[in-house]
Amino acid sequence: QVQLVQSGPEMKTPGSSLKVSCKASGGTLTSYAVTWVRQAPGHGLEWLGGFIPLFGKSAYAQRFLGRVTISADESTAYMELNSLTSDDTAVYYCALPSRTTTWTPLFNSWGQGTLVTVSS
Amino acid sequence: QPLLTQPPSVSAAPGQKVTISCSGSNFDIWSNYVSWYQHLPGTAPRLLIYDNDKRPSGIPGRFSGSMSGPSAILGISGLQTGDEGAYYCATWVASLSVVVFGGGTNLTV
Repeated sequence: QVQLVQSGPEMKTPGSSLKVSCKASGGTLTSYAVTWVRQAPGHGLEWLGGFIPLFGKSAYAQRFLGRVTISADESTAYMELNSLTSDDTAVYYCALPSRTTTWTPLFNSWGQGTLVTVSS
Repeated sequence: QPLLTQPPSVSAAPGQKVTISCSGSNFDIWSNYVSWYQHLPGTAPRLLIYDNDKRPSGIPGRFSGSMSGPSAILGISGLQTGDEGAYYCATWVASLSVVVFGGGTNLTV
């Protein structure tokens, strides 16, 4: 099982951009739909999108289209989110499904989470 | 927009059984498999059920998944205080190429 380690907490101001990394060990990301999920305070889990490096294909939640970019190489995934507002304050997780090349959300590997705080 | 609707909260006494429903709206929930996650405070979500009714290795048999009509169902028997937390269903909606999570259900034991 691939282990995922994310970058540290971030403090951002409204209007700025965010980039969170997710480094894999014990395997490569190439064949997986590397996925990002967040949880804002008092809210549930929310899927932002994913990227399959092998195919160069991405999928994004409609509400984040144009604002989020997910990328990955064989060892590290990145999630970039632009035009931040206070509503983007959340814990952001990277996750891998247990099956390769599928978007089906059976995520059995998770990063530890990255707390992002957006405040002026 | 596709939605997965869960009850906001459920509760039961230790040792009892509880079920959590997950109903699909604006798409056919039977068109792809449903997964279930447990999310305890301060931890990453944990996969409990995949492909509607399968348990990953290491998940106790107290956790079960099924489909009933327009809903996916998570069952938890032999409830323990350590089961307290949030539970989420999720699926891939192929027609829109998106993953959808349910709103989550808070379990109190």
